[in-house]
Amino acid sequence: QKEVEQNSGPLSVPEGAIASLNCTYSDRGSQSFFWYRQYSGKSPELIMSIYSNGDKEDGRFTAQLNKASQYVSLLIRDSQPSDSATYLCAVKAGGGADGLTFGKGTHLIIQP
Amino acid sequence: KAGVTQTPRYLIKTRGQQVTLSCSPISGHRSVSWYQQTPGQGLQFLFEYFSETQRNKGNFPGRFSGRQFSNSRSEMNVSTLELGDSALYLCASSLDRVNYGYTFGSGTRLTVV
Repeated sequence: QKEVEQNSGPLSVPEGAIASLNCTYSDRGSQSFFWYRQYSGKSPELIMSIYSNGDKEDGRFTAQLNKASQYVSLLIRDSQPSDSATYLCAVKAGGGADGLTFGKGTHLIIQP
Repeated sequence: KAGVTQTPRYLIKTRGQQVTLSCSPISGHRSVSWYQQTPGQGLQFLFEYFSETQRNKGNFPGRFSGRQFSNSRSEMNVSTLELGDSALYLCASSLDRVNYGYTFGSGTRLTVV
């Protein structure tokens, strides 16, 4: 059974600091990795996708992937109160062989 | 560019009834997936359609079904509703099934009473 694990939090980070969110996955066949942000009462919003080992940066966000360790992380630099949300890690098997498997999400709180 | 459109936004149904939810993907997106979100189970994959064919299916009973039309619009049907089917149903679209991320619609909130 494919599993994606995240610490549910809440993770509390001071404004301006770096928020670090982590995710592990069980299926070694996973090829595509995504981070979604979900505000309360809203639908998930794609913020990062990563497909190969290493780092991928987009503005204040950096996604890191280590397939050998089956580990994905998301760093948010210069955290803002508007970053307070639940962050969902999602993985997809290679070749489109399955739907997205989501973790339960990490609740992030940025303290002003 | 219009996003993923789901209708209706809210539904209240009685146990035993059936319901049909609709999803219009982003123009040009051919892959449409459906997910169920509940507080206890989180987001769970229902099924995925591409070029009018179901490509993948999650671990849900046969009461949950779907289809995709030639214009990529998709519908999801739940028959013989149970109280446990109360959830937010989310549709997501993507350019293809492998190399691109998925954009979610606003969802349909289904309440079964």
